Amino acid sequence: AQKVTQAQTEISVVEKEDVTLDCVYETRDTTYYLFWYKQPPSGELVFLIRRNSFDEQNEISGRYSWNFQKSTSSFNFTITASQVVDSAVYFCALSEVFILTGGGNKLTFGTGTQLKVEL
Amino acid sequence: EAGVAQSPRYKIIEKRQSVAFWCNPISGHATLYWYQQILGQGPKLLIQFQNNGVVDDSQLPKDRFSAERLKGVDSTLKIQPAKLEDSAVYLCASRAGSRNTEAFFGQGTRLTVV
Repeated sequence: AQKVTQAQTEISVVEKEDVTLDCVYETRDTTYYLFWYKQPPSGELVFLIRRNSFDEQNEISGRYSWNFQKSTSSFNFTITASQVVDSAVYFCALSEVFILTGGGNKLTFGTGTQLKVEL
Repeated sequence: EAGVAQSPRYKIIEKRQSVAFWCNPISGHATLYWYQQILGQGPKLLIQFQNNGVVDDSQLPKDRFSAERLKGVDSTLKIQPAKLEDSAVYLCASRAGSRNTEAFFGQGTRLTVV
């Protein structure tokens, strides 16, 4: 069964600090996809990034960067020079492909990390 | 492109009453999910549709929850009768169907059972 663990329940930083959100996953599939979503106070889940299991290159998008390490089953997310607007709950998610059973696209979320960025 | 639409945004009911939520996914999206998100927790999958067929409903409390997706487009989620522990945000999401695409979420329906 697939599982996503976000051990950090809440993180508080001061603006301009760098912060890393951890994500560890479990899956039996060799092909899978990993995602990060942001949930601001308004409640809507906003897609940030997806990664497939065959691409371990790190990715950078502005102040955001992601480190995918298959060897440790981790997909960590770093915000550089954090801003107050980054305050939100961040979710890591895993999507498996059940080729043998005919199902697919099941999307499992972690419990989320509440990030608070203060002035 | 219009996003995932959900209604109502908020609902307050008494325990043992019935309630229904509606979701209109992004046009052309074959996969539709209903998630339950209890305050302070991550979204928990209730049911997943592929077109109008159920792919996974293993975590749906079938004694009180039901969902349908007629014609493979809109979907409704019903709770009958509601319990206090059903208080949560119910999120609908849709996905194009390709396994490498992201899911798009609606704003959710916040249900309070009193």
